[in-house]
Amino acid sequence: GENVEQHPSTLSVQEGDSAVIKCTYSDSASNYFPWYKQELGKRPQLIIDIRSNVGEKKDQRIAVTLNKTAKHFSLHITETQPEDSAVYFCAASIPGGYNKLIFGAGTRLAVHP
Amino acid sequence: DGGITQSPKYLFRKEGQNVTLSCEQNLNHDAMYWYRQDPGQGLRLIYYSQIVNDFQKGDIAEGYSVSREKKESFPLTVTSAQKNPTAFYLCASTIGTTNTEAFFGQGTRLTVV
Repeated sequence: GENVEQHPSTLSVQEGDSAVIKCTYSDSASNYFPWYKQELGKRPQLIIDIRSNVGEKKDQRIAVTLNKTAKHFSLHITETQPEDSAVYFCAASIPGGYNKLIFGAGTRLAVHP
Repeated sequence: DGGITQSPKYLFRKEGQNVTLSCEQNLNHDAMYWYRQDPGQGLRLIYYSQIVNDFQKGDIAEGYSVSREKKESFPLTVTSAQKNPTAFYLCASTIGTTNTEAFFGQGTRLTVV
């Protein structure tokens, strides 16, 4: 079955620096890759997603890149701010319906003022 | 106010008891999901349901049961057969069943005492 690996597990940056989180997946048929942000004590919320027919997608300070050949995708956050501090999860969808997502283990990002 | 609601927020269970976690959504979403979140392991899928009266096992269904008698409701029962039930449980819903955003509830933290 699909397996998603996420690195690093923790990431500490200074405010204003960039942060990059990487994920790899095993099922080449996976075609949808969302990223969720979970602040302490809150529910996960979608921040950006990418489909397999696109190589890159941006939304203000956040961008996601997808390399289908290598089966990896990455989240890039530029000009980090303290409110970016949270746990970030990547996920890959299982083809065949039911919107079944397999999540990575999460990355705890700390942005220091 | 539309959304997905889980209750209770905290739940304590004695060993050998069954407990039921509630999940209700008023988003008119077709699909609903239950995930278990453990530290360092991301979100793992327990059960999912595409339509009323239909549900499928996820990756860690043993010791759990669900029902989907109404579109808005997808309760999860943690049975005594679940050997390690202490965890954070998240319910989610999606409008469709293919590559769409998952909306999460606030979660229920279950502790076995």
